[in-house]
Amino acid sequence: SQTIHQWPATLVQPVGSPLSLECTVEGTSNPNLYWYRQAAGRGLQLLFYSVGIGQISSEVPQNLSASRPQDRQFILSSKKLLLSDSGFYLCAWSGWLGQETQYFGPGTRLLVL
Amino acid sequence: AQTVTQSQPEMSVQEAETVTLSCTYDTSESDYYLFWYKQPPSRQMILVIRQEAYKQQNATENRFSVNFQKAAKSFSLKISDSQLGDAAMYFCAYRSAVNYGGSQGNLIFGKGTKLSVKP
Repeated sequence: SQTIHQWPATLVQPVGSPLSLECTVEGTSNPNLYWYRQAAGRGLQLLFYSVGIGQISSEVPQNLSASRPQDRQFILSSKKLLLSDSGFYLCAWSGWLGQETQYFGPGTRLLVL
Repeated sequence: AQTVTQSQPEMSVQEAETVTLSCTYDTSESDYYLFWYKQPPSRQMILVIRQEAYKQQNATENRFSVNFQKAAKSFSLKISDSQLGDAAMYFCAYRSAVNYGGSQGNLIFGKGTKLSVKP
């Protein structure tokens, strides 16, 4: 069966520091991968999605970036964090063709101080 | 652009009773998918149920069922025999069945309904 991992689970970072969040999927090949952000009391906002290695699409302009160095690895990064980057970050995967359901990881809580 | 609206920010139900959460959506597409996700205090998003727009039959998963009204663009979730573990945020989500430039149809979420279950 497929599983999706995210780490770290919780992160507290000062403003201006770099960020690296990692997501990995097991038990499937060629997944579509997604990064979402959920601010406190709000819904989910899609940040990035990837349909293959090195293929990244951005949904909103921001100081975050994403990379997919391996088929089942998705990384969310920032060179300099802002206060507004605080939130809950969720990674999700879906099948590459005809498997429309997205399955989510446990998430990372990020607090920027 | 598609939108998803959940008009009930909070709902409450007595244990063992039935509750219905509302969701409406706006789209010009004819082929799409609809989902209900549950987000407990742990904040992991858990798939509850999904519905394909081309299917007339309402989806059912154990105590969870939907009332899908395509013409009215309505997709409500009914939880029967509510349990304390059902307490969570519930999100309605829409996904196009059309592949836009490799996006594979990204999920569009409503703002959620917080469900409380009273013992």
